[in-house]
Amino acid sequence: DAKTTQPPSMDCAEGRAANLPCNHSTISGNEYVYWYRQIHSQGPQYIIHGLKNNETNEMASLIITEDRKSSTLILPHATLRDTAVYYCIVIPGANSKLTFGKGITLSVRP
Amino acid sequence: DTAVSQTPKYLVTQMGNDKSIKCEQNLGHDTMYWYKQDSKKFLKIMFSYNNKELIINETVPNRFSPKSPDKAHLNLHINSLELGDSAVYFCASSQYRDRGNTGELFFGEGSRLTVL
Repeated sequence: DAKTTQPPSMDCAEGRAANLPCNHSTISGNEYVYWYRQIHSQGPQYIIHGLKNNETNEMASLIITEDRKSSTLILPHATLRDTAVYYCIVIPGANSKLTFGKGITLSVRP
Repeated sequence: DTAVSQTPKYLVTQMGNDKSIKCEQNLGHDTMYWYKQDSKKFLKIMFSYNNKELIINETVPNRFSPKSPDKAHLNLHINSLELGDSAVYFCASSQYRDRGNTGELFFGEGSRLTVL
């Protein structure tokens, strides 16, 4: 299984962009990068996923490097409600189980 | 309408008791899961059912028995509860991922189990 490495924590100011890095240097060609987040005491929430191309939706943007060994989740205008643990997950094939690591704790400060 | 609902949200019980947590999803998904999140916040998959058939069974004690009466329900029964079973249990559902859908998991709000 490809594994991911994320810093344990980071913070950013409210209204600024939050750039959350993830390393997945052993990712295989058919593996997707998924991002989820878990706001305190709630169930995890899907954010975005991608394979090779950059992706954007109403919540965030996902930038994947050309060699696919790392990616960055971008929250363009962080709010206090974005304070959460963010999980970067690589799925080894379609419909495989999601294995959550430690994630990165994002703290958005006023 | 809540997409994935779990009951009860909180459960406090004594060691040795048997308890169940129920999960229902109204999203029409064909796959359901149980995850356990312990005090250290690690989120680990326990079971997965696809169309009522068990497809993932991680190393979980036999005291834990999932039951899926239909695609929309996946219940978790725990026998002879132990202190170490105290955790938050999350139910989730997804649709088999192919072109046109993301395969994302939708999680319930969790059921906090405390064993005394």
